[in-house]
Amino acid sequence: QSALTQPASVSGSPGQSITISCTGTSSDVGSYNLVSWYQQHPGKAPKLMIYEGSKRPSGVSNRFSGSKSGNTASLTISGLQAEDEADYYCCSYAGSSPVVFGGGTKLTVL
Amino acid sequence: EVQLVETGGGLIQPGGSLRLSCAASGFTVSSNYMSWVRQAPGKGLEWVSVIYSGGSTYYADSVKGRFTISRDNSKNTLYLQMNSLRAEDTAVYYCARVGGNSLGFDPWGQGTLVTVSS
Repeated sequence: QSALTQPASVSGSPGQSITISCTGTSSDVGSYNLVSWYQQHPGKAPKLMIYEGSKRPSGVSNRFSGSKSGNTASLTISGLQAEDEADYYCCSYAGSSPVVFGGGTKLTVL
Repeated sequence: EVQLVETGGGLIQPGGSLRLSCAASGFTVSSNYMSWVRQAPGKGLEWVSVIYSGGSTYYADSVKGRFTISRDNSKNTLYLQMNSLRAEDTAVYYCARVGGNSLGFDPWGQGTLVTVSS
């Protein structure tokens, strides 16, 4: 059950786009279209932003999008806003040990 | 409104036991996949356990044999029984509903802090 690999931090200016990568293996990200992404503000519970790799729950801005290529999933945030500054975590189904999270990425809006 | 409220956290000595509860409203716990996720202070999210609607349970290697996930259908409540607690179990514990097909965790409770220390 090794954690998925995410960059520790990313940053961008308001209005720009950023992408956060999430690298797993052929046993998790690469084998299933079941990657989800979570936003967490300090002191708050995580919030689901993307599920099944690219689907957005009702109420989540269309500035958030997800994709996958091979063993790597990605979260893209376009038109960065100050309120997007938060920690972001990816998560994947992993078969017999069913769930694995990424280590998290701190997004700073400059 | 779909909501989850965790209770039961606190300060416990190493080797002790604690039971966390997660009361659900707005949906039926037994008809859903339910999970526990924890977050050590200043650290990332760590999946702990899941119970499927059919009753199958799974655990992270770090808690296997020490933690037990269960539910009480009459109380619409999820539980996490934690035994043989260690300092490294110190964390905020969240419960969450898990989409059966999507495996998206939504919603999450507000979390309850467990501190294992002498």
